[in-house]
Amino acid sequence: AQSVTQLDSQVPVFEEAPVELRCNYSSSVSVYLFWYVQYPNQGLQLLLKYLSGSTLVKGINGFEAEFNKSQTSFHLRKPSVHISDTAEYFCAVSSGGYNKLIFGAGTRLAVHP
Amino acid sequence: GAVVSQHPSWVICKSGTSVKIECRSLDFQATTMFWYRQFPKQSLMLMATSNEGSKATYEQGVEKDKFLINHASLTLSTLTVTSAHPEDSSFYICSNSRTGPAYGYTFGSGTRLTVV
Repeated sequence: AQSVTQLDSQVPVFEEAPVELRCNYSSSVSVYLFWYVQYPNQGLQLLLKYLSGSTLVKGINGFEAEFNKSQTSFHLRKPSVHISDTAEYFCAVSSGGYNKLIFGAGTRLAVHP
Repeated sequence: GAVVSQHPSWVICKSGTSVKIECRSLDFQATTMFWYRQFPKQSLMLMATSNEGSKATYEQGVEKDKFLINHASLTLSTLTVTSAHPEDSSFYICSNSRTGPAYGYTFGSGTRLTVV
């Protein structure tokens, strides 16, 4: 079975500061990893995904994540956040094909001026 | 990128009535789609996997007779909440699933259901 753990339920940070949102996964098979962002009362928008290849993945809005197989982690980072980055962030894992996507509990990023 | 249209975006209904939510995969034919439920300040919980032309696969604990899923075409999946009650009030989100080099999942904008 697969599972995803997002280690921080809330992350407060000041504008223009760097941020890291942590995600660990467990799986007995190869995984595909995703980070999504959700704004209030909206669906999910894909930030980035790891399917294969380079372990450093760059996404939209200046976000990036690094796949670390030995530590089973896929942490999301941004060097300088903006107020508009305030949202809920979800890490998710799939085993591929038409298999379901399993979500972590989410991390609320709150960017303060 | 892939586009998923979900309708309605919000709905209020009386207790005991049924509500249908539509999810359309606009730019490719989706053999498989997924339905999620999200309570306030919580994560997405998968309810069921919708398969075109066959019965949906429900997650443990989800009442298949209450949450009817129909995937009659490759571009449309519907979720009908039957005999809705206030505890069914929630945010429902669908997604499609694309395989191949563009592998991934695209989500609809969600439907806020309020049962009064």
